[in-house]
Amino acid sequence: ETGVTQTPRHLVMGMTNKKSLKCEQHLGHNAMYWYKQSAKKPLELMFVYSLEERVENNSVPSRFSPECPNSSHLFLHLHTLQPEDSALYLCASSQGQGNYEQYFGPGTRLTVT
Amino acid sequence: QQQVKQSPQSLIVQKGGISIINCAYENTAFDYFPWYQQFPGKGPALLIAIRPDVSEKKEGRFTISFNKSAKQFSLHIMDSQPGDSATYFCAASIGWGKLQFGAGTQVVVTP
Repeated sequence: ETGVTQTPRHLVMGMTNKKSLKCEQHLGHNAMYWYKQSAKKPLELMFVYSLEERVENNSVPSRFSPECPNSSHLFLHLHTLQPEDSALYLCASSQGQGNYEQYFGPGTRLTVT
Repeated sequence: QQQVKQSPQSLIVQKGGISIINCAYENTAFDYFPWYQQFPGKGPALLIAIRPDVSEKKEGRFTISFNKSAKQFSLHIMDSQPGDSATYFCAASIGWGKLQFGAGTQVVVTP
């Protein structure tokens, strides 16, 4: 595997379910990000982790819970989501402070029914 | 409040033509302005980027023009090809990590 991978690629869940999205980066980076992408809207930064420590949390509802167990892996735990949470969730990584380029994964298409 | 405004929302151009996408920003502290390209089913990928001390940057058929006084920057795709059909996002950043994205422009290049 190369670059940034995300699983699953598609997820349909009910509002009472609990699920997790997984991201793995194979680039040796030390910063990882979660973004939400909705149609015709700017990408919304949700969380930033640097050296496995959360450094940014953009007022995201508590039904989204991130976890970064090491610099290569990032999870987004989901519970009691709402239909408006349906979107493409993108993971990205970068080499960290001083290097601005972010490498994105292909995303997880989430549908909340 | 959207910090980076992008236009147009969509664009159709003939093969060989020039595609132009514009972005405007308000925060003069932004110090990095990248453009990302996204194909269906893929995540965005960095296409080209510029810093405010440069007024233009060219990479192949892609050129960023930057106007610091007007707080605007634009992407020009010269000799557009069908393979350039994608969604393009401008972005701006203060320091690392906090990219503020525009809403995207869907470009369709017709044969």
